[in-house]
Amino acid sequence: NAGVTQTPKFQVLKTGQSMTLQCAQDMNHNSMYWYRQDPGMGLRLIYYSASEGTTDKGEVPNGYNVSRLNKREFSLRLESAAPSQTSVYFCASRLGAGSLYEQYFGPGTRLTVT
Amino acid sequence: QQQVKQSPQSLIVQKGGISIINCAYENTAFDYFPWYQQFPGKGPALLIAIRPDVSEKKEGRFTISFNKSAKQFSLHIMDSQPGDSATYFCAAPLRNSGNTPLVFGKGTRLSVIA
Repeated sequence: NAGVTQTPKFQVLKTGQSMTLQCAQDMNHNSMYWYRQDPGMGLRLIYYSASEGTTDKGEVPNGYNVSRLNKREFSLRLESAAPSQTSVYFCASRLGAGSLYEQYFGPGTRLTVT
Repeated sequence: QQQVKQSPQSLIVQKGGISIINCAYENTAFDYFPWYQQFPGKGPALLIAIRPDVSEKKEGRFTISFNKSAKQFSLHIMDSQPGDSATYFCAAPLRNSGNTPLVFGKGTRLSVIA
């Protein structure tokens, strides 16, 4: 049982390049989330998927797109990377959409945009 | 939208001392207030959580105190140890609905020194 896995662990992009961050969970969770973590800013919600087939914007969605590929996988795409998107990205999942469920986080992807 | 304001931003505590981290929230309708712990290079993990129908919850050396009238909840770490050195986040539901993600405070970096 791997929990929440993310690939890649590290990535360096040039401004304007695109890439997709991959996330998968093997806990049969319904809800999945993407956060970014920046020094002094905490964890900010980018997008989330309350259940398979649905996605919604979070606090900071601009410059990102997401795809809930199936129940296990939730990807985050940067179409044209900008230096402001340099951050650590965390994927998370939880069993239900209700807030009482524990949220499980992946190990993160450290992205640098030059 | 829910906002959570966390303080202090950083905290240095002597080994054996008490660490106290505070969190203020806005919407009194929410039903779940967790604290997450994050070690360097790792994703956050649930540490302890409280529901607003109780004023205090204790798990080992970790205690959440909840003050509904002040709209605040606090994390107390008794007998703080160097292994407790980590970043701590409070969180609250983004919206007042059953289907809602969590939003996080900006984090408190705790250093426990011997």
